[in-house]
Amino acid sequence: QQPVQSPQAVILREGEDAVINCSSSKALYSVHWYRQKHGEAPVFLMILLKGGEQKGHEKISASFNEKKQQSSLYLTASQLSYSGTYFCGTEIYNQGGKLIFGQGTELSVKP
Amino acid sequence: SQTIHQWPATLVQPVGSPLSLECTVEGTSNPNLYWYRQAAGRGLQLLFYSVGIGQISSEVPQNLSASRPQDRQFILSSKKLLLSDSGFYLCAWSEADSNSNQPQHFGDGTRLSIL
Repeated sequence: QQPVQSPQAVILREGEDAVINCSSSKALYSVHWYRQKHGEAPVFLMILLKGGEQKGHEKISASFNEKKQQSSLYLTASQLSYSGTYFCGTEIYNQGGKLIFGQGTELSVKP
Repeated sequence: SQTIHQWPATLVQPVGSPLSLECTVEGTSNPNLYWYRQAAGRGLQLLFYSVGIGQISSEVPQNLSASRPQDRQFILSSKKLLLSDSGFYLCAWSEADSNSNQPQHFGDGTRLSIL
C-alpha cells in the first residue's frame, strides 16, 4: 500500500527545475506533500483531493491524476532552501486523515 | 495559534528498559493525533492514530503502546525496549475533519537510541 516515489534522489543547480512523482497501486482519495530538512520535522506543503486539481505554493506546485493514481510535485527555479527530503502521503479512501507515506525523495540544490 | 510540544528531544535507553514519550497540543480542541517512527534515511511509518480520548488505532504490531488520557495529550510507551525500537519518533496533529483535507503538523521529534 505504500506509495512509490521517484526519483529517490536528485541533485540540482540553483534555478533548475525538478519533478517528483508519487504513484499508488490503489485508487487515491487525497495526496499530501511534505518537506523535511535534515534532523528536523516534516513541514506541510500542500494537499490535493481527487478531482485533478493543481495547487501552488510559492514556486512549488503539484498535480493529482486520479485515473493514473499518481501525483507530481513541481519545483521551478529551485532555490538553496528547497533542499531536503520530500514525502508524499496518500489516503486510499476517506479515513479522516490517516496517511501512508512514501519512502521520500532527497533533493539537493547546489549553488 | 496552535502549537505542538514533544519531549524529550533526545533519549538514550538500555535494551529492556521502559519508555514514555509525551506530546501535547495547544490552541485547538479534539485534534486527531498521530505517532510516527522514522528510521535513519527512511520514510515515516504510522504507529498509532487517535481521533479522541481513549480512542487509539494501532497500525503496526509491536511492543509499543499509545494512550490519550486527555484531549490534547498523546503518550507513546513501551514496557521493554528492543534494539529495533531505535529511531526518530514524531508526534503530529490535525484538525478533526471527516473530509480529510486537513494538513498534519509535526512536533520536533524525539531521537531515541537503544544501547
